[in-house]
Amino acid sequence: EAQVTQNPRYLITVTGKKLTVTCSQNMNHEYMSWYRQDPGLGLRQIYYSMNVEVTDKGDVPEGYKVSRKEKRNFPLILESPSPNQTSLYFCASRPGTGDGYTFGSGTRLTVV
Amino acid sequence: AQSVTQPDIHITVSEGASLELRCNYSYGATPYLFWYVQSPGQGLQLLLKYFSGDTLVQGIKGFEAEFKRSQSSFNLRKPSVHWSDAAEYFCAVGRSGGSYIPTFGRGTSLIVHP
Repeated sequence: EAQVTQNPRYLITVTGKKLTVTCSQNMNHEYMSWYRQDPGLGLRQIYYSMNVEVTDKGDVPEGYKVSRKEKRNFPLILESPSPNQTSLYFCASRPGTGDGYTFGSGTRLTVV
Repeated sequence: AQSVTQPDIHITVSEGASLELRCNYSYGATPYLFWYVQSPGQGLQLLLKYFSGDTLVQGIKGFEAEFKRSQSSFNLRKPSVHWSDAAEYFCAVGRSGGSYIPTFGRGTSLIVHP
């Protein structure tokens, strides 16, 4: 089944403890993105990648890192999480320019 | 910079009634336009998209959307709503720069009364 898989689905962590949210797609898509969803703010893009080793900042990149060493994987790294990064995170991928995204099921992160 | 506005935060309709969700965009050229649906506890699912051609676009689940360049709008419609359509709906516009990375609206929550 064609899908984007995120792990974990739920995560509670403490301020300052480094964490990684994994994202993998099995559709050979070129483009991958990370979004965060907050009530009343909709989806805001954190980082995106247009291909292996090609990444760029989205609208809210502060406090996040990404890497794209393989086409299928696009992990999101929080080096020192803070409570304002408590949010619902989505990974998404698409084949190319102008195509719609396929989204993962989301990761609900709570930083205390 | 592109932007997209969904003027209605919540919409309430009765089951079987027609539905129209509004989306207005701001962009200098012809944009890529998308509608997504998010059911509770799930990720977003693409309903339909538009870039060129026929301005009335058919999507999944019986939805359609009409692109109106003169009004900078891309409204989503459904002739008869089912209770299972209750969800959050997002309009998105793709910006240029080689990658057409989409910007999402803040969403419209659809409530369906029996």
